[in-house]
Formats: sequence, structure tokens, C-alpha cells
Amino acid sequence: AQSVTQLGSHVSVSEGALVLLRCNYSSSVPPYLFWYVQYPNQGLQLLLKYTTGATLVKGINGFEAEFKKSETSFHLTKPSAHMSDAAEYFCAVSSLSGNTPLVFGKGTRLSVIA
Amino acid sequence: KAGVTQTPRYLIKTRGQQVTLSCSPISGHRSVSWYQQTPGQGLQFLFEYFSETQRNKGNFPGRFSGRQFSNSRSEMNVSTLELGDSALYLCASSLAPGQGNTEAFFGQGTRLTVV
Repeated sequence: AQSVTQLGSHVSVSEGALVLLRCNYSSSVPPYLFWYVQYPNQGLQLLLKYTTGATLVKGINGFEAEFKKSETSFHLTKPSAHMSDAAEYFCAVSSLSGNTPLVFGKGTRLSVIA
Repeated sequence: KAGVTQTPRYLIKTRGQQVTLSCSPISGHRSVSWYQQTPGQGLQFLFEYFSETQRNKGNFPGRFSGRQFSNSRSEMNVSTLELGDSALYLCASSLAPGQGNTEAFFGQGTRLTVV
């Protein structure tokens, strides 16, 4: 069975600092990986996804993530945090076949301090 | 194009009552999934529908049910509500199942409060 572990339920960074949100997955085969963002009282919005090909994936709002098969990781980064980045971030995994639903991590709440 | 529409946005119900939530997927999307989001459990999968058929079901009691109509709109129903059913219920639509790399688009959710 697939699973996702997000290290740190809450991360706090200063405005302009590096953002690093950690995600490790468990899967018997290389999966598809996703990062979603959720703003208060909103649904989830896709930030970026890894399917095949280049392991460094660029997403919206300056975020990127690198798929590292050897480490079973898919950490999300952004070089310089902005106040508007404060939100909850979810890492998710999907099987290649798509016959199983998206499995989400517990989420990491990002706070940005002025 | 219009996004995923969930109605109502907010709902307050009393224990023991039942509730029906609605989800209209993006035009052309035929797969609809439902998730329950709570602070303690995070995002938990409820069920997935495609072509009016339930494809997958999460680990929830039989009080939780759903259906999909021929126009791909979906409803979920919770009977005999319990306090623990208070949550944000999210609907996601995608083109079709069987494509693991297909993006799921989420609605804004229905916030259900059981008192």
C-alpha cells in the first residue's frame, strides 16, 4: 500500500528565507507525486506534479520539488518565502495505474513571519 | 471554464439527522472523488465514482454513501449524523480514472458542523 509522510506539521520561516517542506513516500513502484496547497476555507490547488522524465519539477508561485528515488523523497522548496505563501501544504501519491485514489500526507502548515 | 462546484458551502445539522452534499465536476470530467478533511485525521478518501459506478471506497461506515448521475454530478449522503462527522468535505473531479498522472481539481468544500 502507498503512504506519504510529511515531516513537521508546522513550519515557520521568515519572509525572504528558504522554504523547505519535506515529503517521503512509500510505494512498491515509482509512483506519481503531487504537491497541493490549501488556503483557509478553500479547496486544494495543485502546485506541481511529478510523473516521468525530469526529476526536478517546477510549479506555480516559484515552488519546485525534486524526486529522489533513492531517498523516496519529494521535498518542496522555494528560494524566498512571501507572506502570501502562508497556507497548508499537502504531498500526495498516486499509483501508475490510477486505479487507487490519491493518498495524502497529513499536511504541513507554513507560517511566514514578517 | 467553471471549476468544481460544491453546495452548500456551510451546513449545520443536529445529531441523528441526515445530510446530502452536492458536487458538480468540471465540464467534461467524468470521475468524481470525495474526501473528508478533519484536523486530527487529515484528508481521508471516502469514495470515487465514474460513469455512475462506484470504483473505490474508503474505510468509512455504511452511513456514508454516494452516487453519481448521468451528467457526472455527484452527491454524498451521511445518515444518522454523529458529532465526529463534523468536517470539511471535499470533492475532486478529473477527466477519467485509470490515469495516475491526471490532475484532480478540488472544489472549495462543504463545511459540515454537527451539533
